[in-house]
Amino acid sequence: KNQVEQSPQSLIILEGKNCTLQCNYTVSPFSNLRWYKQDTGRGPVSLTIMTFSENTKSNGRYTATLDADTKQSSLHITASQLSDSASYICVVSPLISNFGNEKLTFGTGTRLTIIP
Amino acid sequence: GAGVSQTPSNKVTEKGKYVELRCDPISGHTALYWYRQSLGQGPEFLIYFQGTGAADDSGLPNDRFFAVRPEGSVSTLKIQRTERGDSAMYLCASSPLGGTYNEQFFGPGTRLTVL
Repeated sequence: KNQVEQSPQSLIILEGKNCTLQCNYTVSPFSNLRWYKQDTGRGPVSLTIMTFSENTKSNGRYTATLDADTKQSSLHITASQLSDSASYICVVSPLISNFGNEKLTFGTGTRLTIIP
Repeated sequence: GAGVSQTPSNKVTEKGKYVELRCDPISGHTALYWYRQSLGQGPEFLIYFQGTGAADDSGLPNDRFFAVRPEGSVSTLKIQRTERGDSAMYLCASSPLGGTYNEQFFGPGTRLTVL
């Protein structure tokens, strides 16, 4: 069964500090990996998307890395802000076709809390 | 509209009742997805529409769940004889055809509570 596992399950850090969230996956064949930010009671919002050939992608203070050989990804957040408090979900897409159901596999997320 | 919208934002109903959840996708997006998310879990796939047809409904948990998209735009998720276990956040996402990533854009969700 295709799985996406994330760690830690929850994390609390001080405002201004950096942090790194981890994602391991077993989805195969693999098309692309995404990181989503989900505020409480809201839908997920895409942060980064990487294909299997990309090693890193940045979006402002968010930087995602991907190692397709070890099937690991990380999301690094620099200079954290209170508004970064949210769940961060790693999502893997196994389908390359533009016309089929992507059948995304979602991780359970890391709950990040930034404290002042 | 600028993004995917879902109504209502919250729905409280009694066990055994019928509910309808609505999704308005981004204009021009041909692909539409419904997901269900329980507390502390990632979203789970329910059904996928390509245009008006349900191309993949393998995620629907049982025959009490049904979804339509009659004109290839707005979609309605219908749940009959609701059970307490149906309580969850129901998310809708839409995606354009083509492109490298087929990125899915999510709506804010409908929080369903079955008492």
